[in-house]
Amino acid sequence: EAGVAQSPRYKIIEKRQSVAFWCNPISGHATLYWYQQILGQGPKLLIQFQNNGVVDDSQLPKDRFSAERLKGVDSTLKIQPAKLEDSAVYLCASIQWHRTGNTGELFFGEGSRLTVL
Amino acid sequence: QKEVEQNSGPLSVPEGAIASLNCTYSDRGSQSFFWYRQYSGKSPELIMFIYSNGDKEDGRFTAQLNKASQYVSLLIRDSQPSDSATYLCAVWDMRFGAGTRLTVKP
Repeated sequence: EAGVAQSPRYKIIEKRQSVAFWCNPISGHATLYWYQQILGQGPKLLIQFQNNGVVDDSQLPKDRFSAERLKGVDSTLKIQPAKLEDSAVYLCASIQWHRTGNTGELFFGEGSRLTVL
Repeated sequence: QKEVEQNSGPLSVPEGAIASLNCTYSDRGSQSFFWYRQYSGKSPELIMFIYSNGDKEDGRFTAQLNKASQYVSLLIRDSQPSDSATYLCAVWDMRFGAGTRLTVKP
């Protein structure tokens, strides 16, 4: 079974430029998450999708970050304009629900490492 | 703001010792708790989850949950150098703590 796919793996841009990251979750996983992980910190939840609807985007800096999952499968996270503090690894994850349906196990992609100069 | 707190460490233990990792959470409604392991430069992977108060054992790993104290811990018995990683605590809504970096010295 294929895992969570992310691209690009690495991206270097200058501040005020824009960047987009792509994620394709495990087939059949309806719930998708984007996280930002700054070096030395835990993953910070940016946005959660259920199919093509947003469940939680309370920690997404909406003045510069946007995300979409138009057909309920793959997703794109965009940053425009980028700031120095956006340098981080952007992790995409999808969830395998447990039998109870109340929660589940996250499967992460390899991440997209962004460096803003 | 719902918080998940962990001691960032680093925590260093000798090979064969017990490593104890701790996590506290603020959301009293949390019902499920997770421990993920993240090797340097890699993505997190699930070690264990726990729903009920008390202990849950899986091989060398034991998760302990105390909902009254809003506290969850992970014990690693007979620690090995290969256990050296960052251990992340997460709660039901998939929010993570800052992680605790563990080093097991041969």
